[in-house]
Amino acid sequence: SSVLTQPPAVSVAPGQTASISCGGDDVGRPSLHWYQQKPGQAPVLVVYDDSVRPSGIPERFSGFKSGNTATLTISRVEAGDEADYYCQVWNSNSNIIFGGGTKLTVL
Amino acid sequence: QITLKESGPTLVKPTETLTVTCTVSGFSLTTGGVAVAWIRQPPGKALEWLALIFGNDDQRYSPSLRSRLAITRDTSKKQVVLTMTDMEPADTATFFCAHKDSGMTDFDYWGQGTLVTVSS
Repeated sequence: SSVLTQPPAVSVAPGQTASISCGGDDVGRPSLHWYQQKPGQAPVLVVYDDSVRPSGIPERFSGFKSGNTATLTISRVEAGDEADYYCQVWNSNSNIIFGGGTKLTVL
Repeated sequence: QITLKESGPTLVKPTETLTVTCTVSGFSLTTGGVAVAWIRQPPGKALEWLALIFGNDDQRYSPSLRSRLAITRDTSKKQVVLTMTDMEPADTATFFCAHKDSGMTDFDYWGQGTLVTVSS
């Protein structure tokens, strides 16, 4: 079965850069997306189609993909960026797959 | 603007069937390529896709849960309904519905979610 692998946790100091990876065979397929989820809230789309920011998402959020690894980068991290982050693709069988999630802690 | 809102029971007993409803506004359920998905999240765990229904009524299901799921829609009420049979405590989760736009594969709008607990 398809699996998207994310690190369980990433920690970063305010003002620094956080990088969250998403790996797996299906990462190489077109269009990988990233969601931010704060406690008690629904997920919010922060990057779609590998690297496109939806309207209203700060430029500090960027996405990049190379081969079977995608990376969400958050520059100049703020306390308000502390959240869980999930990657998502449609796999080769047209099933929707989410990564296991990464908890971003701002120190 | 596009909104989605989930509704359903907060508590179901083991072996019962769960029915949750997603009421949408701001878009048509019959537009080609548009879809509504159901996604669940057990407490403290990751998101898991369950089912999706397209504007042409095509339905897709998670392979691991296919035998227990059914997704339908009532276009007159602007609702998408998910039923899940034979519920067990491990199915305790927040159930979200989400919108997929035509030609896209991301979920750009989400409902607030509804927590369903399975317990006797």
